Amino acid sequence: RKEVEQDPGPFNVPEGATVAFNCTYSNSASQSFFWYRQDCRKEPKLLMSVYSSGNEDGRFTAQLNRASQYISLLIRDSKLSDSATYLCVVNGRRDSSYKLIFGSGTRLLVRP
Amino acid sequence: NAGVTQTPKFQVLKTGQSMTLQCAQDMNHNSMYWYRQDPGMGLRLIYYSASEGTTDKGEVPNGYNVSRLNKREFSLRLESAAPSQTSVYFCASRKNTNQPQHFGDGTRLSIL
Repeated sequence: RKEVEQDPGPFNVPEGATVAFNCTYSNSASQSFFWYRQDCRKEPKLLMSVYSSGNEDGRFTAQLNRASQYISLLIRDSKLSDSATYLCVVNGRRDSSYKLIFGSGTRLLVRP
Repeated sequence: NAGVTQTPKFQVLKTGQSMTLQCAQDMNHNSMYWYRQDPGMGLRLIYYSASEGTTDKGEVPNGYNVSRLNKREFSLRLESAAPSQTSVYFCASRKNTNQPQHFGDGTRLSIL
């Protein structure tokens, strides 16, 4: 089982739609969580950190469920520019050090 | 504010040639990382440096060496390039263990 698992998609949605991605992680000792966005052939860019209480940044809402070991990302009112791959990232302790573990990503296509 | 700077941006090598990829960050970050990303795949950690003076192997270290020259700079060396090392290489850094990573814009390396 992968440490961080995501549905690869693609999720193909019309402009204005609401779309949600889930990500599960296996290490219960994980302490911090992030969503990154990666455009084709570009570097990953931090979209938002994920806090236990859940957090919102404009059209984006992230939630953490520690009991079930998953995090989610909700995008409201999708824009064409939201088309990208969304990476779930989990920070956990392994081999006496903390490492960021990246999921393989969920691809989102927003169509006109 | 440059963030994480990688050089070169593109490089073509012949099998057996050697090459050093450079990475520098100006954010006073403690940890630095090298990843590779093959087409359609997720990020794979090659080597990392948790702090100045230390380096550790990641998921795919074979065929690579690294040097943490000082707090700012972390270089990745291919001693004898192989076609299987054709990839996009990303350098990243972060302040401490609970913080997200910040990425450079990548080096696209082709080995013929």
